[in-house]
Amino acid sequence: KQEVTQIPAALSVPEGENLVLNCSFTDSAIYNLQWFRQDPGKGLTSLLLIQSSQREQTSGRLNASLDKSSGRSTLYIAASQPGDSATYLCAVKGFGNEKLTFGTGTRLTIIP
Amino acid sequence: EPEVTQTPSHQVTQMGQEVILRCVPISNHLYFYWYRQILGQKVEFLVSFYNNEISEKSEIFDDQFSVERPDGSNFTLKIRSTKLEDSAMYFCASLAGGLYQETQYFGPGTRLLVL
Repeated sequence: KQEVTQIPAALSVPEGENLVLNCSFTDSAIYNLQWFRQDPGKGLTSLLLIQSSQREQTSGRLNASLDKSSGRSTLYIAASQPGDSATYLCAVKGFGNEKLTFGTGTRLTIIP
Repeated sequence: EPEVTQTPSHQVTQMGQEVILRCVPISNHLYFYWYRQILGQKVEFLVSFYNNEISEKSEIFDDQFSVERPDGSNFTLKIRSTKLEDSAMYFCASLAGGLYQETQYFGPGTRLLVL
């Protein structure tokens, strides 16, 4: 059974710093991995999707990497801003099934 | 930009009552999903739906749950007899399908409280 873990559970950094969020998964046979942002009491906003054949994806100040063999993904946020404060979730999709398996998330606070 | 919508945003119900949660997926999408998130816990998969039938369901999705696409736009989740432990945020998601169109897009959620 796939297990997805995100460490740390919470992170506070001053505005302007670069930061890395971590995601690990136990079964490396994944089809893709998706990073989401969740604001308090709100839905999930997709940030980046990495296919299993890819090593990284970039969107603006965000860069996500994938090391499938070691079961790890990172989300790099450059030049953090207070508006980046949210919970960040990673989710993996396995082969032959439809569902996403989510991690518990990292609650990020950017201090102005 | 097209988005997934869900109604109602909040619902309070008494234990044992039936509830129907509604979703309007993105119009050209083919795959539809329900997930739930109990307060403070992970987002959990409930069910996926394609071509007018369930394609996968989790162990949470027991006989109390059903899904339907009654017309060309709505996708509903019905809970027949709610329990206290059904209190959660319920998210609908849709996916276009096809090459390079594999991002699941989520709605804003329905917060269900069972008393």
